[in-house]
Parts: sequence; C-alpha cells; structure tokens
Amino acid sequence: GENVEQHPSTLSVQEGDSAVIKCTYSDSASNYFPWYKQELGKGPQLIIDIRSNVGEKKDQRIAVTLNKTAKHFSLHITETQPEDSAVYFCAASISISSGSARQLTFGSGTQLTVLP
Amino acid sequence: NAGVMQNPRHLVRRRGQEARLRCSPMKGHSHVYWYRQLPEEGLKFMVYLQKENIIDESGMPKERFSAEFPKEGPSILRIQQVVRGDSAAYFCASSPSKQGTTDTQYFGPGTRLTVL
Repeated sequence: GENVEQHPSTLSVQEGDSAVIKCTYSDSASNYFPWYKQELGKGPQLIIDIRSNVGEKKDQRIAVTLNKTAKHFSLHITETQPEDSAVYFCAASISISSGSARQLTFGSGTQLTVLP
Repeated sequence: NAGVMQNPRHLVRRRGQEARLRCSPMKGHSHVYWYRQLPEEGLKFMVYLQKENIIDESGMPKERFSAEFPKEGPSILRIQQVVRGDSAAYFCASSPSKQGTTDTQYFGPGTRLTVL
C-alpha cells in the first residue's frame, strides 16, 4: 500500500519568515495530494491540494509543489504569522477498486511554531 | 452550509463497554470516511461508506469494530468491548457525491475516546 513520509516533525520560524514542509510518497498511482492544518483539539482543515496534472499551485501565502518523477511534494508558507502555528499534515490518495472515491494516506505531521 | 458534525465530542468508557460514535456528513455529501488518530501520530484510514454500503473497510480491525451509514440518519462507528488501546481521536470526513469531485474530504471536529 501507499506510504507517506513527512519532514521535519517540528519546525520553528520567526514571524515573517517562510516555512517549508516536505513529503514523499511511495505509490506512483497516487494522483491527489491535499494538505491539512490541525489546531489543538480540532479536526483537520483542508488548506490546499494539488493533482498530478499540475506541478505547482498557489493560494495567497500558501503554495504546494509536486515532483511526480521524484514522488515528493512540498508545502510552502510565506510571510508566516503566529496564527499559522499548528500541526500540518500531508496526504496522498490512491484509487480503490470502485474508482469513485479515495482513501487518504497521511504523513506523520509537522508541528509548526511561528515565533513572534 | 453546516460542516461535518460529530458527536459526542468526548466519550469516556470503561474497559469492556461499547462506544458509539456518530457522524453527519456535510449537506449533499453521501461519502463518509472514518479515520483514527493516536496521540502524536497522523490519521489512519479505517473505513469508507456510501449510503447503506461499506465500500472499503481495509483499515478497520476485523474484531470489535463495525460501521454503518443507513439510508436515514448519521453514520455510526461502533466499538464493542473497548480496550485501553482504543483510546484515540476518531475523525469522520465526507466528500461530495458528484463524480470527479469526490477526492476532497472535509473533516469533522472528531470524537475523543478515552477508555479507563
């Protein structure tokens, strides 16, 4: 099955600096890669996603890049703010037999701390 | 549009009791997924259901765990004869019914199960 590895496990940055979180996946059949932000005591919140037919996607201060050949994708947050502090999870999806929906395989998470 | 709802938010059970976790998907969503998150870990897929059907239960333990999504009412994840190792946060996610957009999964706030 799919295996997703995520690094680093913890990341501290100064407010205003950029943060980069990297993930690798094992199954070349995966073609959907969402990123979730999870605050303490809450459920994961989708912040951005990318499909395998594009190499980069940007939404304001957040961007995601995908390298299908190397099977890795990264989350980039620019101009970080204290409210960006949370745990971030990457995920990859693999088609199941019905083809109509996909289970997500998650990375182990990155605790991002933005220091004021 | 209300998000995914889960109840209860917190559930305490003694070893050997039964736990019932409920999930109401977003309006218009007929795909439901259950994930389990152990402390300091990522989310692990358990089961994927559509109305009245279990599509993929490959991540769910074969014993003591069951799930349903009836025609009317919420999806239920049932854990019989709970043990301490079942203590975790259980998250439900839902995705749209329309083909081609079923990738995006929206998560509820979770149920935190504690087994004494």
